Amino acid sequence: QVVLTQSPSASASLGASVRLTCTLNNEYNTYAIAWHQQRPQKGPRFLMKVNSDGSHDKGDAVPYRFSGSSSGAVRFLTISSLQPDDEGDYYCQTWAAGIQVFGPGTSVTVL
Amino acid sequence: EMQLVESGGGLVKPGGSLRVSCTASGFSFSSSNMNWVRQVPGKGLEWVASISTWSRWAYYADSVKGRFTVSRDNAKNSLFLQMNSLSAGDSAVYYCARDASTTSAHLDLWGQGVLVTVSS
Repeated sequence: QVVLTQSPSASASLGASVRLTCTLNNEYNTYAIAWHQQRPQKGPRFLMKVNSDGSHDKGDAVPYRFSGSSSGAVRFLTISSLQPDDEGDYYCQTWAAGIQVFGPGTSVTVL
Repeated sequence: EMQLVESGGGLVKPGGSLRVSCTASGFSFSSSNMNWVRQVPGKGLEWVASISTWSRWAYYADSVKGRFTVSRDNAKNSLFLQMNSLSAGDSAVYYCARDASTTSAHLDLWGQGVLVTVSS
């Protein structure tokens, strides 16, 4: 079955950029994924869908600072010009035959 | 404004039952496949169940299969999760979430969540 792998944590300075990774197991490397942000003590928020060709579709009101890309089985979320509000957990998610699969999440800290 | 609002959470004893609800507004609920996702505080997201637009199919995580039932009432724009034989491991915040479309099942709208605590 499809498995998503994420690094547990990432950090960068205020105003810098950070790139998060979500890796699909090889036989699912054509799958699209979605990125979700969860700020502390809040519910998740959809950020964008990232396709295997690197194209991405953002959710409503997602700032331009957030972008998605892809390389092989890896899907990326890049956050530019980091702001304090960007701190939180970021989850990738994919789907197959009615079932949803989540990665373990990456905790982002703004230094 | 598109919105999902959960309700019905609370404290229940081990072995007990609880039904949580999710009310949708601002979009065509009957055109959307829907999901329940849960999160133990401090832990990651775990998919629980999904249901198609007119309840033709439903799928469940192995951890809840046979104990939980997802249903919906399109006339009332409502999604439900009936939880039976609850144990401490089911304590979590339960979120309802919408599939973006019937051809792309990424989740694009989330509720704020409802807390379910299973304890004696």
